Amino acid sequence: DIQMTQSPSSLSASVGDRVTITCQASQDISNYLNWYQQKPGKAPKLLIYDASNLETGVPSRFSGSGSGTDFTFTISSLQPEDIATYYCQQYDNLPPITFGPGTKVDIK
Amino acid sequence: EVQLVESGGGLVQPGGSLRLSCAASGFTFSSYDMHWVRQATGKGLEWVSAIGTAGDTYYPGSVKGRFTISRENAKNSLYLQMNSLRAGDTAVYYCARSTPGGPSDYWGQGTLVTVSS
Repeated sequence: DIQMTQSPSSLSASVGDRVTITCQASQDISNYLNWYQQKPGKAPKLLIYDASNLETGVPSRFSGSGSGTDFTFTISSLQPEDIATYYCQQYDNLPPITFGPGTKVDIK
Repeated sequence: EVQLVESGGGLVQPGGSLRLSCAASGFTFSSYDMHWVRQATGKGLEWVSAIGTAGDTYYPGSVKGRFTISRENAKNSLYLQMNSLRAGDTAVYYCARSTPGGPSDYWGQGTLVTVSS
């Protein structure tokens, strides 16, 4: 099975800061990598698909990059409503689809 | 508007069974792959099963042989039959749709399954 790691596991940043989260796959997954945002008590929301494509309606401050095994998710200017946990997900090799362990983002 | 509404969660004893349902609306259900994803309290997301548009099914090792995913396109409904339940299956269970081979772009709000004596 493909394992996904994320770092950091949590971070605290100020409003307006640039925030970067990394995700690494245990083997090449091409660009079959998605990023989700989950707020407490809510379902996950798709933000980025296929590593770098912004889902319709998602603010442009969110972006993704990478291919192969190394991926990056960026919030260019952190906003209070971005407080959430962010998960990467690979779907190159089914089964199983696997998620990263998540990165919790807080406001400093 | 796309809607996915899960139901069927509840309290069940270890070794028991439960059937979850997901009612879909606002899109052509038969044209989408469907998934179940679960989340234990305070933990991360775990993919549980998927069913393709042709009825092909997929499971991780943790539930294979115990869980069965199915769909009824005429009723726009997705199901998850869960047998031999364990305490470790306690979680909120979400259904989600995806274009064939694509990301899960819509999710339901989840239904809580608690396995406890």
